[in-house]
Amino acid sequence: GAGVSQSPSNKVTEKGKDVELRCDPISGHTALYWYRQSLGQGLEFLIYFQGNSAPDKSGLPSDRFSAERTGGSVSTLTIQRTQQEDSAVYLCASSLGGTSGTVYEQYFGPGTRLTVT
Amino acid sequence: AQSVAQPEDQVNVAEGNPLTVKCTYSVSGNPYLFWYVQYPNRGLQFLLKYITGDNLVKGSYGFEAEFNKSQTSFHLKKPSALVSDSALYFCAVRDRAGGSYIPTFGRGTSLIVHP
Repeated sequence: GAGVSQSPSNKVTEKGKDVELRCDPISGHTALYWYRQSLGQGLEFLIYFQGNSAPDKSGLPSDRFSAERTGGSVSTLTIQRTQQEDSAVYLCASSLGGTSGTVYEQYFGPGTRLTVT
Repeated sequence: AQSVAQPEDQVNVAEGNPLTVKCTYSVSGNPYLFWYVQYPNRGLQFLLKYITGDNLVKGSYGFEAEFNKSQTSFHLKKPSALVSDSALYFCAVRDRAGGSYIPTFGRGTSLIVHP
């Protein structure tokens, strides 16, 4: 079956430009996560969506970062006025659930490699 | 607060030998624990999870992990390593207390299996 997809797979942009990264989660998954992966730094949580609830934005590193999820499905991560330190792989994951008492694993997309020059 | 540590950046093992990738965690309550594997230029793939019950958890590709509450550890193991097991391995923890659904990931351990 279809997994989590992300586009573009690679994005090169100039410092100061805005970029949009897209995530298509697995159909029926109500939870969606964005992470940033930098070399040797593991996965840095950015933002979490669960159903129609307000997103948990506690991981967004600055107000240049924002995300939305339309119709409980596709999500877009937007980075405004990109900086060189934004260069990283941006991973999206989705999962079932979010209800108490049930623990579901995450399914990850292949990521978008962002390079800011 | 929840945190996880993977004390080894890299683990080297010969094919056919047993492998262990270490993970320790810190939570205020009881943990949910996960292992994921990442192959080059791919997203992370789920291997196994501990929720409750039996401390030995079996997962995909012959991997298993043992939950040790007294040592706050959840080491990943495999009895006989394959060259194809070479990849980046991530441990993750989620605290049952507090109601958060956001796991914290370790920095990853690169496993290299030599022929």
